[in-house]
Amino acid sequence: QVQLVQSGAEVKKPGASVKVSCKASGYTFSNYYLHWVRQAPGQGLEWMGMINPGGGTTTYAQTLKDRVSMTRDTSTNTVYMGLSSLKPDDTAVYYCARVRAPGAFDIWGQGTLVTVSS
Amino acid sequence: QSVLTQPPSVSAAPGQKVIISCSGGDSDIGNNYVSWYQQLPGAAPQLLIYENDKRPSGIPDRFSGSKSGTSATLAITGLQTGDEADYSCGTWDTRLSAYVFGTGTKVTVL
Repeated sequence: QVQLVQSGAEVKKPGASVKVSCKASGYTFSNYYLHWVRQAPGQGLEWMGMINPGGGTTTYAQTLKDRVSMTRDTSTNTVYMGLSSLKPDDTAVYYCARVRAPGAFDIWGQGTLVTVSS
Repeated sequence: QSVLTQPPSVSAAPGQKVIISCSGGDSDIGNNYVSWYQQLPGAAPQLLIYENDKRPSGIPDRFSGSKSGTSATLAITGLQTGDEADYSCGTWDTRLSAYVFGTGTKVTVL
């Protein structure tokens, strides 16, 4: 079946970097954009950016563009989200999500908790 | 940062109806499709409505969406205890070149 499986939880110190993976299966990887969305504890959803798995082009949220990087590996159908210069405010569950129809995330990964604490 | 405004909470008794509003502007809802997501406690969001009023397969017709101008609404009829969750709207913002979500609404079944 169509699914996105993410890497496990991470604990990082302030100033460090993190890289979260999202492995796609059950569909043609290059045909659908993948987005990253995060959710801080008790807060709403925040869009981080997107990647075109086919061509590798990316678009990032203005608030994160200096710290976030999204890449893909077409040999393993995996996308990666890297976030640098981590702050305690970056503590959140990070989700990857596939776009099917315009602006509609139809498949979500299970989420990856990233905790930033000294 | 959310640019779409939703009420923090709505509630109703089982079997009743709730309506959740999502208010935006010309650059987001006014010129783009709206989606709605349900997030059960401890789970990832799930797509409920896309392209303003379409339901993915498997979503019951108790859930319906509509859009008018710069606002959208999600209606849930025949409310069930399993509908207790957070609901968020979302759309593309042409001015920001970014996807934006609503502030989120918690539905409580009394």
